[in-house]
Amino acid sequence: AQSVAQPEDQVNVAEGNPLTVKCTYSVSGNPYLFWYVQYPNRGLQFLLKYITGDNLVKGSYGFEAEFNKSQTSFHLKKPSALVSDSALYFCAVRDYGSSNTCKLIFGQGTTLQVKP
Amino acid sequence: NAGVTQTPKFQVLKTGQSMTLQCAQDMNHNSMYWYRQDPGMGLRLIYYSASEGTTDKGEVPNGYNVSRLNKREFSLRLESAAPSQTSVYFCASVRTGNNEQFFGPGTRLTVL
Repeated sequence: AQSVAQPEDQVNVAEGNPLTVKCTYSVSGNPYLFWYVQYPNRGLQFLLKYITGDNLVKGSYGFEAEFNKSQTSFHLKKPSALVSDSALYFCAVRDYGSSNTCKLIFGQGTTLQVKP
Repeated sequence: NAGVTQTPKFQVLKTGQSMTLQCAQDMNHNSMYWYRQDPGMGLRLIYYSASEGTTDKGEVPNGYNVSRLNKREFSLRLESAAPSQTSVYFCASVRTGNNEQFFGPGTRLTVL
């Protein structure tokens, strides 16, 4: 069965420092991977996705993610964190039984706290 | 475009009451989804609709029913609310072949 794990409930970084939010996955074939962000009292917003191609994927708001097949990871990164990046981040993988619907399986979420 | 809209934003129910959560999208998307979000558990799929006229169960369908009224609208019904259904409910939609889900702002439901 497909699954995705976010091993950290919370990540704390200082503004201006690089940030990494970790995600590992388990799928039976080639994965379709996603990152979403949720600001307080809002719905989820798409950040970026990996379908195929370059292992480094660039997305919205200066975020990028690195796909590592050997480590089955898809960590979210940003070179210089902003206080406004503080939010809840979700990693997701597409359910392989859903070629025509894009059902997603979400991780439990990681709270990113960026301090001034 | 309004994107994905949900009503109501907040709702308080007593155990045993019923209600319907409404969702609409104006992006001409084929697939629509209902999720619930609980602390520490991420989002869990309740029901989804691959296209107009079809619905299927997700991971946690018990206690819920859905209706895909037309291509735009996908409603979620709680027939007899229970405290375990206290949660934040999100609707989402996606265009076939795009893979990017668009989410509504959510409905915060409390069942007393």
